[in-house]
Amino acid sequence: NAGVTQTPKFQVLKTGQSMTLQCAQDMNHEYMSWYRQDPGMGLRLIHYSVGAGITDQGEVPNGYNVSRSTTEDFPLRLLSAAPSQTSVYFCASSYATADTQYFGPGTRLTVL
Amino acid sequence: SQQGEEDPQALSIQEGENATMNCSYKTSINNLQWYRQNSGRGLVHLILIRSNEREKHSGRLRVTLDTSKKSSSLLITASRAADTASYFCATDARGGSEKLVFGKGTKLTVNP
Repeated sequence: NAGVTQTPKFQVLKTGQSMTLQCAQDMNHEYMSWYRQDPGMGLRLIHYSVGAGITDQGEVPNGYNVSRSTTEDFPLRLLSAAPSQTSVYFCASSYATADTQYFGPGTRLTVL
Repeated sequence: SQQGEEDPQALSIQEGENATMNCSYKTSINNLQWYRQNSGRGLVHLILIRSNEREKHSGRLRVTLDTSKKSSSLLITASRAADTASYFCATDARGGSEKLVFGKGTKLTVNP
């Protein structure tokens, strides 16, 4: 099993550009989530999904969109990147909502 | 707002010493989890303790939970340089959406 994979590992964007961060898991987990990690702020939940076709907002959803068309994939879209979105983004999955989370390696995003 | 808050923010010890980190939270929980994050990596699950449990062990790790004080502690015994990492607690609020909320973490440095 590959576990949770994320691509790309690093990305530099200019303000206003759009991009999609990819996340995939091969553990047949129903629950998937996106976090951002900023220095001194810990992890903050952006969006999450309890199953294919179902998504909901977390603590800091503004500026981000998600969709969940399959159990395996949960992409995170930045429609118009802003410098405030410079961060490290982690995708996680689990069998149930508050169960043990399996994290991907992260995407380090810089918005200039 | 963060449900769990770790204390101290940073801890530096010598190899062979024990390391204790604390987590306090605000509302009743179903379970509490501890995660480790090595520099530049994703989080790795260490241990989950349920609200009806008081203590749990896993190798050199010992976790306690005091629901009356809304606090938990993580003890790492006989620490090694490889234990150098950030440690996070995560809680899910009982009766809430059961989303996991992470604290800001304790940065542990184990000096050889």
